[in-house]
Amino acid sequence: AQSVTQLGSHVSVSEGALVLLRCNYSSSVPPYLFWYVQYPNQGLQLLLKYTTGATLVKGINGFEAEFKKSETSFHLTKPSAHMSDAAEYFCAVSFSGGYNKLIFGAGTRLAVHP
Amino acid sequence: GAGVSQSPSNKVTEKGKDVELRCDPISGHTALYWYRQSLGQGLEFLIYFQGNSAPDKSGLPSDRFSAERTGGSVSTLTIQRTQQEDSAVYLCASGLTGSYGYTFGSGTRLTVV
Repeated sequence: AQSVTQLGSHVSVSEGALVLLRCNYSSSVPPYLFWYVQYPNQGLQLLLKYTTGATLVKGINGFEAEFKKSETSFHLTKPSAHMSDAAEYFCAVSFSGGYNKLIFGAGTRLAVHP
Repeated sequence: GAGVSQSPSNKVTEKGKDVELRCDPISGHTALYWYRQSLGQGLEFLIYFQGNSAPDKSGLPSDRFSAERTGGSVSTLTIQRTQQEDSAVYLCASGLTGSYGYTFGSGTRLTVV
C-alpha cells in the first residue's frame, strides 16, 4: 500500500534561513510525488510535482524538491525563507500507470519568524 | 470558470440534518475528487470521478455519505443524518487525466452542532 510520512508536524525557521520539509513515501510501484501548500482559509495550491525525468524539480515561490529513490524521499527545500512562506505544506503520492488518486501526508506547518 | 468553485463556503447544521455540498470543477476537467480535511487528521480521500467511468467510492466513511456528478461537470456531496464527527473542511479538486496534479477549491467548512 502507498503511504506518505511527513517528519515534523511543525517547523519553525528564521526569515532568510533554509527551509527543509521532509517527506518519505512508501510505494510498490514508481511514484508520482507532489508538494502542495495551503495558506490559512484557502484551498491547496500545487507547489511542484515529480512524475518522470529530472529528479530535481523546481516549483513556484523558489521551492524545489529532489526525488531520491534510494531513500524513498521527496524533501522540499527553499534556500531563504520569507515571512509569506508561513503556511501548511502537504506531500502527496499517487500511483503511476493507474488512475491518479492522491494520498497525502499529515502536513507540516511552517512558521517563519523575524 | 477560472478555478474550482465550492459552495457554500461555510455551513452550520444541526446533528441529524442532511447537507449538500457543491463543487463546480474547471471547465473541461474530466477528473474530480472529494477530500475531507479534519483537524489533526490530514487529508482523507473520499471519492473520485473520472469521465464516464464508475466512481471510486472506496474512501466514503459510511453509507450516510454519497456523491454524484451530473453531466461530467458539477458534483454534489451529500451527507445524511449528520454527526458531529462529520465536522471538517470538504475539499473538491479537478484535473485532466494524466496531468497528475489537480486544482483544489477553497473548500466548504462544515460544522455540525
